[in-house]
Amino acid sequence: KQEVTQIPAALSVPEGENLVLNCSFTDSAIYNLQWFRQDPGKGLTSLLLIQSSQREQTSGRLNASLDKSSGRSTLYIAASQPGDSATYLCAVMQADPKSTFGDGTTLTVKP
Amino acid sequence: DAGVIQSPRHEVTEMGQEVTLRCKPISGHNSLFWYRQTMMRGLELLIYFNNNVPIDDSGMPEDRFSAKMPNASFSTLKIQPSEPRDSAVYFCASSANRGSTMGYTFGSGTRLTVV
Repeated sequence: KQEVTQIPAALSVPEGENLVLNCSFTDSAIYNLQWFRQDPGKGLTSLLLIQSSQREQTSGRLNASLDKSSGRSTLYIAASQPGDSATYLCAVMQADPKSTFGDGTTLTVKP
Repeated sequence: DAGVIQSPRHEVTEMGQEVTLRCKPISGHNSLFWYRQTMMRGLELLIYFNNNVPIDDSGMPEDRFSAKMPNASFSTLKIQPSEPRDSAVYFCASSANRGSTMGYTFGSGTRLTVV
């Protein structure tokens, strides 16, 4: 059974800092990995999707990497802003369309 | 496309009442998922459909919960009778079966409070 872990559970940084969020998974036989953002009281917004054949994806200040062999993905946020404050979840999809979600990292960017 | 549409956004009901949550997936997406999110248990998959057929309902808590997908553009999640422990945010998500390029799109959720 796939298990997805996100450490740390919470992170607080000053504005402008570059930061990395971590996601690890136990079964490397994955189709893709998707990073989501969730604001308080809101739904999940997709940020980036990395296919199993890819190593990374970039969107603006966000860069996500995938290392299947080690069962790890990272989400890099450059020049963090207070508006980046949210919970970030990773989801790993395997052969069927079900995804396994991590519990998320709650990020606070202080002005 | 308007995205995944869920209704209602908020629902407050008394214990024992029937609750029906609704979802309209993105047109062309052939997989639909119902999730429940609580502080204690995080995001839990309740059931998912592929081409309107329930594939895995192992996450449905008990017989009080039922889900249907009568056509490709509509699904319901019903709780009867509702209990206070059912209070949570219920999300619907859809995806298109395109192999490794498929990803999830979530609705805004229904916040259910059972008093």
